[in-house]
Amino acid sequence: DAGVTQSPTHLIKTRGQHVTLRCSPISGHKSVSWYQQVLGQGPQFIFQYYEKEERGRGNFPDRFSARQFPNYSSELNVNALLLGDSALYLCASSSGLTSYEQYFGPGTRLTVT
Amino acid sequence: AQSVTQLDSHVSVSEGTPVLLRCNYSSSYSPSLFWYVQHPNKGLQLLLKYTSAATLVKGINGFEAEFKKSETSFHLTKPSAHMSDAAEYFCVVINTGGFKTIFGAGTRLFVKA
Repeated sequence: DAGVTQSPTHLIKTRGQHVTLRCSPISGHKSVSWYQQVLGQGPQFIFQYYEKEERGRGNFPDRFSARQFPNYSSELNVNALLLGDSALYLCASSSGLTSYEQYFGPGTRLTVT
Repeated sequence: AQSVTQLDSHVSVSEGTPVLLRCNYSSSYSPSLFWYVQHPNKGLQLLLKYTSAATLVKGINGFEAEFKKSETSFHLTKPSAHMSDAAEYFCVVINTGGFKTIFGAGTRLFVKA
């Protein structure tokens, strides 16, 4: 079975631009979470989605948004990119809302210049 | 409020000697606790989890952790380090019923030959 997949692998954007990152969960998993990992730090929670609804949000500005589709895949959108948004963006899936065992994808490396 | 503190940013051991990575947590509710490992240029992998069952939890690759409520600790141990254990380790807390995952800052494990 395929694990969590993310696309693209790497991305370079300019300040002020918009970016969309994509995630496909493990088959049968209905919950997707997004994290930002800045170099040298632990991942920071951004969002959790379950059954297409936002169930949790971390301390990120409104420039960050996400959605989950009927097939449980998800997109993370970031508007008005700042240099500080450069990071590894991780997606994790879990089987249900109260299943806390998360499986992580390889991440998307975003560089903002 | 919940938080997690990894007490050492770096730990260095010799191959064949014991490993101890320390983690303290703070939680208003009964927490679920996890350890993840991140090898360079690889995704996060779940090592083990505690979800209010046995307090001594065994994970993959010979790692184990003990939940001590009185000390609010969840330290990771391994009897004998292997070169392949060199990686970044993250302690993670999720509040039962909550939808926010908190990662520690990470501990870099170095294993000397």
